[in-house]
Amino acid sequence: AQSVSQHNHHVILSEAASLELGCNYSYGGTVNLFWYVQYPGQHLQLLLKYFSGDPLVKGIKGFEAEFIKSKFSFNLRKPSVQWSDTAEYFCAVRGNNRLAFGKGNQVVVIP
Amino acid sequence: SAVISQKPSRDICQRGTSLTIQCQVDSQVTMMFWYRQQPGQSLTLIATANQGSEATYESGFVIDKFPISRPNLTFSTLTVSNMSPEDSSIYLCSVDSRASGDYEQYFGPGTRLTVT
Repeated sequence: AQSVSQHNHHVILSEAASLELGCNYSYGGTVNLFWYVQYPGQHLQLLLKYFSGDPLVKGIKGFEAEFIKSKFSFNLRKPSVQWSDTAEYFCAVRGNNRLAFGKGNQVVVIP
Repeated sequence: SAVISQKPSRDICQRGTSLTIQCQVDSQVTMMFWYRQQPGQSLTLIATANQGSEATYESGFVIDKFPISRPNLTFSTLTVSNMSPEDSSIYLCSVDSRASGDYEQYFGPGTRLTVT
């Protein structure tokens, strides 16, 4: 079964700062990779996804993620965060028809 | 994408009782999933429910505790049986939606369960 690791569970930063959230996974087969976001009081939303092709994928709201196969990583980035990016971010890996989640990163952006 | 609704959105229940959570999707889907998100934890897959067959449970989850129904391609229920405070959690329904040949998963708003 696959597993997902996310570090730095709590992240606090100021508006306009850059954000990078790490995600590492373990799985022996072909994977699809996702980042989900959960804004306060809202349900999980798909932020971006990687299936194949260009390892640098762009999602909504200026987020991007890079798949590095050799490092089993799929890190999320945003060059300049806004207060509205305050949310919990989950990395997820799909393999064998199952979606496994990391523990999430609670991101707080201070105006 | 798929639009998913869940009922109830939240409930407070006494230990020893059972609660059935409903999940409704606006389109026909093959695979539906039930997850649990305990306080401060990530999402954990409980089971996969395909229409016309018994649900497949993940390690640590059993049918007697979490019976699931999947009567058609747009609806599923999850029952949390003989509840204890440790069952306090958010329960989420999720479905697969195929986009350009690959599967994405969409999530419902969740049911927040508190067991006293």
